[in-house]
Amino acid sequence: GPKVLQIPSHQIIDMGQMVTLNCDPVSNHLYFYWYKQILGQQMEFLVNFYNGKVMEKSKLFKDQFSVERPDGSYFTLKIQPTALEDSAVYFCASSFHYEQYFGPGTRLTVL
Amino acid sequence: GDSVTQTEGPVTVSESESLIINCTYSATSIAYPNLFWYVRYPGEGLQLLLKVITAGQKGSSRGFEATYNKETTSFHLQKASVQESDSAVYYCALGVQQGTGSKLSFGKGAKLTVSP
Repeated sequence: GPKVLQIPSHQIIDMGQMVTLNCDPVSNHLYFYWYKQILGQQMEFLVNFYNGKVMEKSKLFKDQFSVERPDGSYFTLKIQPTALEDSAVYFCASSFHYEQYFGPGTRLTVL
Repeated sequence: GDSVTQTEGPVTVSESESLIINCTYSATSIAYPNLFWYVRYPGEGLQLLLKVITAGQKGSSRGFEATYNKETTSFHLQKASVQESDSAVYYCALGVQQGTGSKLSFGKGAKLTVSP
């Protein structure tokens, strides 16, 4: 079936640094999403993105977070600056309508 | 807000036995959300197992089935006879579809181990 790719699979950075997580969504999809999963907890919605704009974001989507998809390339999640509580697995998803396809996740560790 | 409560793992079942993983939901933002079961096999990403977008309907895939019950706000996952290859983590999810796209609320996941 359709594949969503995420790069990198793991990222370790020091607190206060900037990090960019990359997502290569399914080619004809229109909606893009990020979810966050802290170890032992459920996956939680961060943001969805459509037509170049953030459509909806949760309270987890802090001011330090931003998303973009310049010129139909990667859909990115940038965190600047990072904090210890940002350590989690971040999942990207894309959809044409309501059925979301997920990437394998990027494990982010903030030291 | 919207939320999902499901059987949390681990769940251990012997091969060829029946399985039920419970899921109940609470939807505050919409009367009739879309309901999903996702599965993550070892070493793989999350993938859709089945979906139902209409209350009262049943979804099925790979021998699994789930019925959208709006009276009991439940969406239990069942299989009559499991196989070792069904060992995975199963997530129930509620989806709210709006003009701005959709967002999913997930349960915590149930890790199923099928023993030979």
